[in-house]
Amino acid sequence: AQSVSQHNHHVILSEAASLELGCNYSYGGTVNLFWYVQYPGQHLQLLLKYFSGDPLVKGIKGFEAEFIKSKFSFNLRKPSVQWSDTAEYFCAVGPAFGNEKLTFGTGTRLTIIP
Amino acid sequence: ETGVTQSPTHLIKTRGQQVTLRCSSQSGHNTVSWYQQALGQGPQFIFQYYREEENGRGNFPPRFSGLQFPNYSSELNVNALELDDSALYLCASSPGGMNTEAFFGQGTRLTVV
Repeated sequence: AQSVSQHNHHVILSEAASLELGCNYSYGGTVNLFWYVQYPGQHLQLLLKYFSGDPLVKGIKGFEAEFIKSKFSFNLRKPSVQWSDTAEYFCAVGPAFGNEKLTFGTGTRLTIIP
Repeated sequence: ETGVTQSPTHLIKTRGQQVTLRCSSQSGHNTVSWYQQALGQGPQFIFQYYREEENGRGNFPPRFSGLQFPNYSSELNVNALELDDSALYLCASSPGGMNTEAFFGQGTRLTVV
């Protein structure tokens, strides 16, 4: 069975600090990988996705993630965070062939201190 | 905005009752998935509908059932509500096929008392 682990449950950073959120997955097949963000009171929205090709993917709002197949990891990074990045971040994995029945991690709450 | 709308936004039900949640998918999307997000947890896959047929189910009991209509909108029905069913229920639509992304609605907050 597939699973996703997000090791950081709550991260607190000051503005302009660099961010890295960990994500590891277990899945017996080729995967698509996603990071979603949930701002307070808003719906889940896609930050970035990996389907194939360049393992370094760039998303919206300056976020990027690197797929390391040998480590089953898909860590999210941002060089300089802003107060508006305060949100819940979810890593998700889905089968590459077929459709996107996603398995989510438990999420990381990110709090940015002005 | 994703174009995926859910109703109602909030709902309070009594244990043992039945509930129906509704989802209108984004235009052009033929696949709808439902997720349950308990407080402090990530969304858990309930089931998916593709062109009006159930197309995969997560680890949820049969009292969780659904429908998809010819216009690809969908319903989630939960019978014999339990306190643990209290959660945010999310609907996601996608165009189907390989390598597509899911677009989520704002969710329905269900409280069972």
